[in-house]
Amino acid sequence: EVQVVESGGGLVQPGGSLRLSCATSGFTFSNYWMTWVRQAPGRGLEWVANIKEDGNLKYYVDSVKGRFTISRDNPNNSLFLQMNSLTVEDTAVYFCARDLTPTTSGVFYDALDVWGQGTKVTVSS
Amino acid sequence: AIQMTQSPSSLSASVGDRVTITCRASQDIRNDLGWYQQKAGKAPKLLIYAASTLQSGVPSRFSGSGSGTDFTLTISSLQPEDFATYYCLQDLHYPRVFGQGTKLEIK
Repeated sequence: EVQVVESGGGLVQPGGSLRLSCATSGFTFSNYWMTWVRQAPGRGLEWVANIKEDGNLKYYVDSVKGRFTISRDNPNNSLFLQMNSLTVEDTAVYFCARDLTPTTSGVFYDALDVWGQGTKVTVSS
Repeated sequence: AIQMTQSPSSLSASVGDRVTITCRASQDIRNDLGWYQQKAGKAPKLLIYAASTLQSGVPSRFSGSGSGTDFTLTISSLQPEDFATYYCLQDLHYPRVFGQGTKLEIK
């Protein structure tokens, strides 16, 4: 069964740091782009960052650039999001998601077809 | 960054109704758009990718159309399980951007 499971969320003070993890199974992790998406309480979805299958390309939404770092450990099928200088605006449920198609396929689609259940991050004093 | 304007923001409809949700991009995104359904407290679910391709396992009452800047998601005959929030997501330009969502409620 294809699965992604987030962990690492919790309560942190403004200015603090947190590292989120996403453990994956059931597919060849090293063939897929991976993405983090977040959802603030009562708000819509916000794309946060993604990373190429080999880790050599990373993209971020402007609001987290310089503060968040996405990374991956292909041998251990894991995705990470290091979050520094956290503010109350970063309070959200953070979802890990997999791209629809592997980069090894003939036609590549960047939609997000496998999602975790999310991990909650609360930034508060 | 590209802006994605989704409308309406909320919609009341009845079981059996045909509903349409639209998403407009601030610049050309070809057909690089997906539609997602999210139920309360759950992860989003991919319904449509590449603007009009139905994801495997998604009922055929869902359909998508459009290209360039204007896109639609249509549900041909609403079922009780379709009441949820729907989002579009452009996946051509960085940063990726979601529409603000359409909450579909029971009339």
